[in-house]
Amino acid sequence: TQLLEQSPQFLSIQEGENLTVYCNSSSVFSSLQWYRQEPGEGPVLLVTVVTGGEVKKLKRLTFQFGDARKDSSLHITAAQPGDTGLYLCAGVRETSGSRLTFGEGTQLTVNP
Amino acid sequence: DTGVSQDPRHKITKRGQNVTFRCDPISEHNRLYWYRQTLGQGPEFLTYFQNEAQLEKSRLLSDRFSAERPKGSFSTLEIQRTEQGDSAMYLCASSLTATTNEKLFFGSGTQLSVL
Repeated sequence: TQLLEQSPQFLSIQEGENLTVYCNSSSVFSSLQWYRQEPGEGPVLLVTVVTGGEVKKLKRLTFQFGDARKDSSLHITAAQPGDTGLYLCAGVRETSGSRLTFGEGTQLTVNP
Repeated sequence: DTGVSQDPRHKITKRGQNVTFRCDPISEHNRLYWYRQTLGQGPEFLTYFQNEAQLEKSRLLSDRFSAERPKGSFSTLEIQRTEQGDSAMYLCASSLTATTNEKLFFGSGTQLSVL
């Protein structure tokens, strides 16, 4: 069983549409991060959320950490082809020290 | 470029051979991580170092895998007697001290293909 479940696994949309990606767990996390990865490259950190209920915005991307610190969401407004990539959530469990555990990722394709 | 660098970028080997990968972290970073990623999956934790000390190793990691960071700078990951199931992207990441807001910087990875 995956510690962090991401949904959907695949998402293909048209330019200009909005989308939301979800990251869920039964465990509590002291922090949760979102990364974006392009083919043949390593993941690149987008944001870290720490406080339950926290909302962070990065241009057209909005990240939210659940009140109970067990889940998170990523919302993209007016998606562009340059947003195409693998979006990964990753968290540090309160009970497992500082090691980062990743979800399986959401592959987003934005068609022009 | 002062990011995390990994060498080689690609490695093709025959089953049963040994392979070694190198990772050079960002110079002032004291933590170094190794992850493995297969197509369509998120990175899977293998092991990490703080300075030269290996602090944790995944229980899923076969004893054919060994990692070192002898002087607390670069690290090597060796896989002995490779198997086809070892084919994956091996990612290295580094960070500066563990905090709640620890930021991992990843290299571009080494893509291993075992024939």
